[in-house]
Amino acid sequence: TQLLEQSPQFLSIQEGENLTVYCNSSSVFSSLQWYRQEPGEGPVLLVTVVTGGEVKKLKRLTFQFGDARKDSSLHITAAQPGDTGLYLCAGVRSTLGRLYFGRGTQLTVWP
Amino acid sequence: GAVVSQHPSRVICKSGTSVKIECRSLDFQATTMFWYRQFPKQSLMLMATSNEGSKATYEQGVEKDKFLINHASLTLSTLTVTSAHPEDSSFYICSALDQGATETQYFGPGTRLLVL
Repeated sequence: TQLLEQSPQFLSIQEGENLTVYCNSSSVFSSLQWYRQEPGEGPVLLVTVVTGGEVKKLKRLTFQFGDARKDSSLHITAAQPGDTGLYLCAGVRSTLGRLYFGRGTQLTVWP
Repeated sequence: GAVVSQHPSRVICKSGTSVKIECRSLDFQATTMFWYRQFPKQSLMLMATSNEGSKATYEQGVEKDKFLINHASLTLSTLTVTSAHPEDSSFYICSALDQGATETQYFGPGTRLLVL
């Protein structure tokens, strides 16, 4: 079983639509990170959230960390074809730094 | 963000040979690095944690004698796939831990291994 449940697994939408990706767990994380990965490349860090209830914005992307630090969401406004990729959430539980990954969300935005 | 490099970016080898993959943190020192394996359209699967100056810690089900890890310096970890077989073909990704306030892992660009 995954420590972090990420949903949806696949998302196919039209340009201009909004979307939300969720990561949920019964465990508490000291921090949670969101990555975006393109085919054949390594994951690229988008944001790290540390404080419960924290909200961070990165242009059209909004990241939220749950109050209890057990869940997080990524919301994309007015999606564009360039947003297409694999989005991964990953949480840290201890100072050892090990990341627990969700299963990923494969997003496809059609023009 | 911090930069982590991997070499080679892709490698094709014959079954039975060994392949070494290097992971370097270019602008920070990393006492801890991680090695992951990824299959198409799937998330990353942690194989092992590489610790500078000590033995690596392997995840359950990962053969330590097959996937040799050496973390010889604060900026370099290597993964050697010994006696590679076609089922070892995969995308291998390393990351380096920047132990600052947010303990962020920075990922390398990955190495595509194809064993014929």
